[in-house]
Amino acid sequence: AQSVSQHNHHVILSEAASLELGCNYSYGGTVNLFWYVQYPGQHLQLLLKYFSGDPLVKGIKGFEAEFIKSKFSFNLRKPSVQWSDTAEYFCAVNTPGTYKYIFGTGTRLKVLA
Amino acid sequence: SQTIHQWPATLVQPVGSPLSLECTVEGTSNPNLYWYRQAAGRGLQLLFYSVGIGQISSEVPQNLSASRPQDRQFILSSKKLLLSDSGFYLCAWSVPASSYEQYFGPGTRLTVT
Repeated sequence: AQSVSQHNHHVILSEAASLELGCNYSYGGTVNLFWYVQYPGQHLQLLLKYFSGDPLVKGIKGFEAEFIKSKFSFNLRKPSVQWSDTAEYFCAVNTPGTYKYIFGTGTRLKVLA
Repeated sequence: SQTIHQWPATLVQPVGSPLSLECTVEGTSNPNLYWYRQAAGRGLQLLFYSVGIGQISSEVPQNLSASRPQDRQFILSSKKLLLSDSGFYLCAWSVPASSYEQYFGPGTRLTVT
C-alpha cells in the first residue's frame, strides 16, 4: 500500500531562516504530489502541486518543492520564512486516474518573530 | 466560484448517540467528494469518497457510514458513536475525472463523551 512519510513533526525556526520539510512516498509508479498548508483557524489549502514536467515547482507565498524520483521525495523549501508561515504542512500523494489521496502525518512549523 | 460548507462546526455527543455531519458544495457539478478524519500526529485519514450520487467507497471499516443523496451533498453518519470517533472531520471535493487538487471545508470538531 502507498504511504507518505513526513519525518519532521515539529519544526521551530526564527524569521529569515531557511526551511526544508521532508516528504517521502512509497509508491514506485507515476504519482501526483501535493503540499497542503493549514494556517491557524483556516481551511486546509493547496500550497503547490506536481503532475509532470519540471521537477522544481513553485507555489504560493514563495514556497517551492523539488520532485526527486530516484529518492521518492518531494521536499518543500522556502529560502526565508516569515512569522506568517506558522502553520501545519501536509504532503500528499495521488495515483493518476484514481480518486484516492494519501496524506502524510503533517509537520507543525512555528516561526519565531 | 466554488465553496464548500460543513456543519456543525463543533459537536459534543454522548457515547451511543447517533451522528450526522453534512457537507455541501456550491458552484460545481458532479464533484468527487471525500470525508477525512484528522487526528493529531496522524495526518488525514481518508474515510469515504464518492464519484457520484449513491456511489460510496469506504476506505476504513469502522463505525461510520456515508451517503450522497444529492449531487453536491455528502453526509457522514453513525448509528452509535464510540469514544474513538472523536476527532476533526474534514470534507473535501475535487474536479471529477481528474487527479487535480482537493478543496477542503472548514471541518467539524467532534467530541464523544
